[in-house]
Amino acid sequence: EVQLVESGGGLVQPGGSLRLSCAASGFTFSDHYMDWVRQAPGKGLEWVGRIKNKANSYTTEYAASVKGRFTISRDDSKNSLYLQMNTLKTEDTAVYYCTRIKLVPHRAFDYWGQGTLVTVSS
Amino acid sequence: EIVLTQSPGTLSLSPGEGATLSCRASQSVSSNFLAWFQQKPGQAPRLLIYGASIRATGIPDRFSGSGSGTDFTLTISRLEPEDFALYYCQHYGSSPPYTFGQGTKLEIK
Repeated sequence: EVQLVESGGGLVQPGGSLRLSCAASGFTFSDHYMDWVRQAPGKGLEWVGRIKNKANSYTTEYAASVKGRFTISRDDSKNSLYLQMNTLKTEDTAVYYCTRIKLVPHRAFDYWGQGTLVTVSS
Repeated sequence: EIVLTQSPGTLSLSPGEGATLSCRASQSVSSNFLAWFQQKPGQAPRLLIYGASIRATGIPDRFSGSGSGTDFTLTISRLEPEDFALYYCQHYGSSPPYTFGQGTKLEIK
């Protein structure tokens, strides 16, 4: 059974930093691209970023709203995905979801974690 | 960036009825890389349809997707009580950002 479990959310002041983790199990983690998606309270879904697999050089992609502030990384030996968030803004307040990306040809977002809440407030 | 516009914003129907949800893209979605998700309060989104018309694992056959290019539709035949939720479309083509529509709320009439 595919499982994705996020952790690391919490309350942080504007300008602060936070690191989210996602523990994956039930599939060959190293084969898959992995993404982060967020959802502000009462709002829709926003794609945050992606990290590709080793075969694609662990290339990362980011939404314009977080580029330069957020960094996605992974540790295939630990089946873990990370999101380092720096220079946080109040508008970064959201539930952050870790998502698995299906293998080719359809790179759809097929499994989601339960999410972890990040609140940026003074 | 592809902008996805969903309509209607809210759809009020009764159990047993059929539902038709629309998703229009600002430019053609390559290879029909279009997905639909269902989200219930307090839960993560669940993948329903990908490739515009391919049901994801475990999704009942009352859910179907259609469309190509810029116009896509999610159809739910014979609504069950558990189908009342938020629905999002998303493109996952070759280039980011992989944007979502703003959502359609399917509520009980």
